[in-house]
Amino acid sequence: EIVLTQSPGTLSLSPGERATLSCRANQSVSSSYLAWYQQKPGQAPRLLIYGASSRATGIPDRFSGSGSGTDFTLTISRLEPEDFAMYYCQQYGSSPLFGGGTKVEIK
Amino acid sequence: QLQLQESGPGLVKPSQTLSLTCTVSGASISSSNYYWGWIRQPPGKGLEWIGNIYYSGTTYYNPSLKNRVTISVDTSKSHFSLKMNSVTAADTAVYYCASMLYYHRVFDYWGQGTLVTVSS
Repeated sequence: EIVLTQSPGTLSLSPGERATLSCRANQSVSSSYLAWYQQKPGQAPRLLIYGASSRATGIPDRFSGSGSGTDFTLTISRLEPEDFAMYYCQQYGSSPLFGGGTKVEIK
Repeated sequence: QLQLQESGPGLVKPSQTLSLTCTVSGASISSSNYYWGWIRQPPGKGLEWIGNIYYSGTTYYNPSLKNRVTISVDTSKSHFSLKMNSVTAADTAVYYCASMLYYHRVFDYWGQGTLVTVSS
């Protein structure tokens, strides 16, 4: 059974800083099926990255994804005020599975 | 642009059946490019996939829920539905419907979500 572990649980940063979020799987997963979502309070998740590194339509280029195998990273190059939110990774092996999430909060 | 809208009761009694419908607009529910899925999120917690359905009617369920869940599709009405039986307080959550891209296996469009509370 695949388990996705996101770290850190909470990331406290200031606007303009760089955010690095980790998603680690306990076994190798296909990069083709690794995604990242952003969720703000009271809203549905929004797709940011698919295929580990491809930005979804309309997503600013300050968001980037990388990784392969068991280790994947979402990087926000310079945090804007609207980027403070929860972030989830998701993989598809035999079925969809979400990680536990990382909260990016204002320091 | 594809839009999804959940509808159904916001309060369900314990041991009864939760029933929700998701209406799809802006794309054909019969498109081979999509699965149609349900995801839930208990208050203050993370996301849990419940299941998907393809326009053909083929279903895929989370193993931890499959004994209690049925997802169906009505292409004539452009909607798909979720039924979950024998609910308990642990099933209290915001329930989202979403479209999953067939080739990339990601949820690209989501409904706004509907809170379902299980309580007597």
